[in-house]
Amino acid sequence: NAGVTQTPKFQVLKTGQSMTLQCAQDMNHEYMSWYRQDPGMGLRLIHYSVGAGITDQGEVPNGYNVSRSTTEDFPLRLLSAAPSQTSVYFCASSYSAGQWDSPLHFGNGTRLTVT
Amino acid sequence: AQSVTQLDSHVSVSEGTPVLLRCNYSSSYSPSLFWYVQHPNKGLQLLLKYTSAATLVKGINGFEAEFKKSETSFHLTKPSAHMSDAAEYFCVVRTMNTGFQKLVFGTGTRLLVSP
Repeated sequence: NAGVTQTPKFQVLKTGQSMTLQCAQDMNHEYMSWYRQDPGMGLRLIHYSVGAGITDQGEVPNGYNVSRSTTEDFPLRLLSAAPSQTSVYFCASSYSAGQWDSPLHFGNGTRLTVT
Repeated sequence: AQSVTQLDSHVSVSEGTPVLLRCNYSSSYSPSLFWYVQHPNKGLQLLLKYTSAATLVKGINGFEAEFKKSETSFHLTKPSAHMSDAAEYFCVVRTMNTGFQKLVFGTGTRLLVSP
């Protein structure tokens, strides 16, 4: 059981380049989300999805796009990378969007550097 | 608004001594509370959760936490630290104020364990 799989593990981009961070889960989870982790700031929610075809903005959505065409996949797109997007990105999923005690399952992260 | 404050950015203990990681929360609603652990270059892993059942919650690897409503606290403890406990720990509050769960992460406490 792979859980939540993120690719790539590391990426270096130049300012203005675009790329997609991939996230896949094999647990048939309803809820998927993207977080960024920056030193001293904890994790901040970028976008989330409560099911295929449904996405919404989190706390820090600017500069990022998402889509959810299948239950399994939730890619995060950077349209024009900026140095402020240098961070570690985590994808997380949970069984239910509305169930109180449904914990998050995290991927191992993608470390992105924008020069 | 919901918030979480982790009172220490770093905690240092010796192997075999007790661990105390402090967390205070603020919530307008009855919260669910979680502790997650992050080992280097890994995603976050659930340690334990409180969802309004027993106020003393036992988690994995010998950790436990006590929910104290009067003190708005959810401190994480372990009687005897092990070298493998060295990691970063996040306190998380979940509230349901819009029909959908909202997670708020603390800024993390790095636990250092010396031999």
